Amino acid sequence: AQSVSQHNHHVILSEAASLELGCNYSYGGTVNLFWYVQYPGQHLQLLLKYFSGDPLVKGIKGFEAEFIKSKFSFNLRKPSVQWSDTAEYFCAVNRAGSARQLTFGSGTQLTVLP
Amino acid sequence: ETGVTQSPTHLIKTRGQQVTLRCSSQSGHNTVSWYQQALGQGPQFIFQYYREEENGRGNFPPRFSGLQFPNYSSELNVNALELDDSALYLCASSLVASNEQFFGPGTRLTVL
Repeated sequence: AQSVSQHNHHVILSEAASLELGCNYSYGGTVNLFWYVQYPGQHLQLLLKYFSGDPLVKGIKGFEAEFIKSKFSFNLRKPSVQWSDTAEYFCAVNRAGSARQLTFGSGTQLTVLP
Repeated sequence: ETGVTQSPTHLIKTRGQQVTLRCSSQSGHNTVSWYQQALGQGPQFIFQYYREEENGRGNFPPRFSGLQFPNYSSELNVNALELDDSALYLCASSLVASNEQFFGPGTRLTVL
């Protein structure tokens, strides 16, 4: 069975600091990778996704992520965070040929201090 | 284009009762997936429906069941509610051949 690990449960940064959230998955086959964000009181929204091709993917709001196959990692980055980035971030994977079910990590709560 | 909608927003039940949660898919989407998100956890896959049939199931007992209707809307039914069923229940819609799912706002279920 596949699993997803997010090692940082709570990250606190000041505005303009750089962000990197870790995500590792366990599955040896072909996977699709996602980062979702859940702002306070709002529903899950897709930040970015990786299916194939260039391992560096860019998403909305200045976020990007890099897929490193040899490390089974898909870390999320942003060069300069804003107070409005305060939210919970979830890494998720699914595998080709399945019912497309998503397996999520436990999430990272990001708090950006103004 | 209408997004995924869910009803009700909040629900309080007592242990042993039954509950039905509803979901309307995003326009044009023919697949619906349900997830349970316990407090402080990531969403966990319950099951998926396509063409009104279950098309994949996670590690949930049979008292979690579902339906999909011809208009692609869906219901999640939970029988014999337990305290641990308290969670946010998320519905996500997609096209069957797509890897991307679109989530609704969720239904917050509290079991007392």
